[in-house]
Amino acid sequence: QKEVEQNSGPLSVPEGAIASLNCTYSDRGSQSFFWYRQYSGKSPELIMSIYSNGDKEDGRFTAQLNKASQYVSLLIRDSQPSDSATYLCAVIPSSRLTFGEGTQLTVNP
Amino acid sequence: DVKVTQSSRYLVKRTGEKVFLECVQDMDHENMFWYRQDPGLGLRLIYFSYDVKMKEKGDIPEGYSVSREKKERFSLILESASTNQTSMYLCASTFGVGGYGNTIYFGEGSWLTVV
Repeated sequence: QKEVEQNSGPLSVPEGAIASLNCTYSDRGSQSFFWYRQYSGKSPELIMSIYSNGDKEDGRFTAQLNKASQYVSLLIRDSQPSDSATYLCAVIPSSRLTFGEGTQLTVNP
Repeated sequence: DVKVTQSSRYLVKRTGEKVFLECVQDMDHENMFWYRQDPGLGLRLIYFSYDVKMKEKGDIPEGYSVSREKKERFSLILESASTNQTSMYLCASTFGVGGYGNTIYFGEGSWLTVV
């Protein structure tokens, strides 16, 4: 089992819709969870970090964490074409920073 | 402004050459990481270091080594470059791991082509 798995893409949504990105992890001891956005040819940039069960909102982005079920998700409301990118889930399960394979999101005007 | 600097952005090397990729951070971070990123495979951890002179293997250490002689510098070494090491290499650093509020900072990436 992979340490971090993301829902397979690519994901395509119309402008203004909600995009939902999901991630599961295997290490129950994980404490820190991150969502990164990566544009083609660029390095990842941090969107959200979440450490406690529940929802965390920041503008159009909401991260959801459920440690019992070992998943973390990212919702993007009112999706914009500028949100088109690859989204990476990252987990710190001990001393390693581990990423999922990424989900490519396309927002169609 | 925090910074992780990868000095070599674009390199072309020949098969069998020894290649050094340098990463320097100015945030006094304890932890540093080297990843490679290939299409469809995401970010794969090569090596990481949680202190000076300490190193740990990641998921794909074969064909690579690292050096951390000073806290701010973490070098990735390809002892004998091969074409399957053509990739984009990312360095990252963070103050602590496993705790709260430890933002991870990335360098801009090093694009290596081995011919």
